[in-house]
Amino acid sequence: DGGITQSPKYLFRKEGQNVTLSCEQNLNHDAMYWYRQDPGQGLRLIYYSQIVNDFQKGDIAEGYSVSREKKESFPLTVTSAQKNPTAFYLCASTAFETGDTGELFFGEGSRLTVL
Amino acid sequence: AQKITQTQPGMFVQEKEAVTLDCTYDTSDPSYGLFWYKQPSSGEMIFLIYQGSYDQQNATEGRYSLNFQKARKSANLVISASQLGDSAMYFCAMRVLQTGANNLFFGTGTRLTVIP
Repeated sequence: DGGITQSPKYLFRKEGQNVTLSCEQNLNHDAMYWYRQDPGQGLRLIYYSQIVNDFQKGDIAEGYSVSREKKESFPLTVTSAQKNPTAFYLCASTAFETGDTGELFFGEGSRLTVL
Repeated sequence: AQKITQTQPGMFVQEKEAVTLDCTYDTSDPSYGLFWYKQPSSGEMIFLIYQGSYDQQNATEGRYSLNFQKARKSANLVISASQLGDSAMYFCAMRVLQTGANNLFFGTGTRLTVIP
């Protein structure tokens, strides 16, 4: 079945370590997104990519980095520069075609905890 | 600037009853789309319903309907005949079509609890 796969589902990190969250989609979607969700808050956009080898900062990009070398993959690295990285991270994609509703399809999320 | 407001942190509804979850939005762009997503405790976001700013009729999808009042800038979700499986977080979101990025702006969510 087509969908978005995020891994790992749970991740623990010591302070000062970089970690990379994986996001893979087989929906043939052009655009991919990373959101962060904190308790009691909505989703906030970290980075997005509309085509391969191109990505843009979202509202809270500081302390994060991404790459888009393949259409199917959009990994997110949480660097040591991110001051409060403990959160739930959601990856999403969309077909981004004129006339579509443009709904985002989401993965099941990765929960990062800094010890 | 775009903004989505959900003023109900939590709601309770009796099983088989209907419930309305409130959402107001703010944008100066004439072209926009409004979405509702459901987030169960497992964490994934499930798309429920969509309303375009130029759509003349309110959107419906099974037990879900969107009460779209453009002049009031509100897009309330109505769930009819509530089921225990409807217990979850519900998020309202908006996409402004002129931004080109197609990213969604989300509200803070409403936690719905269905009581047997």
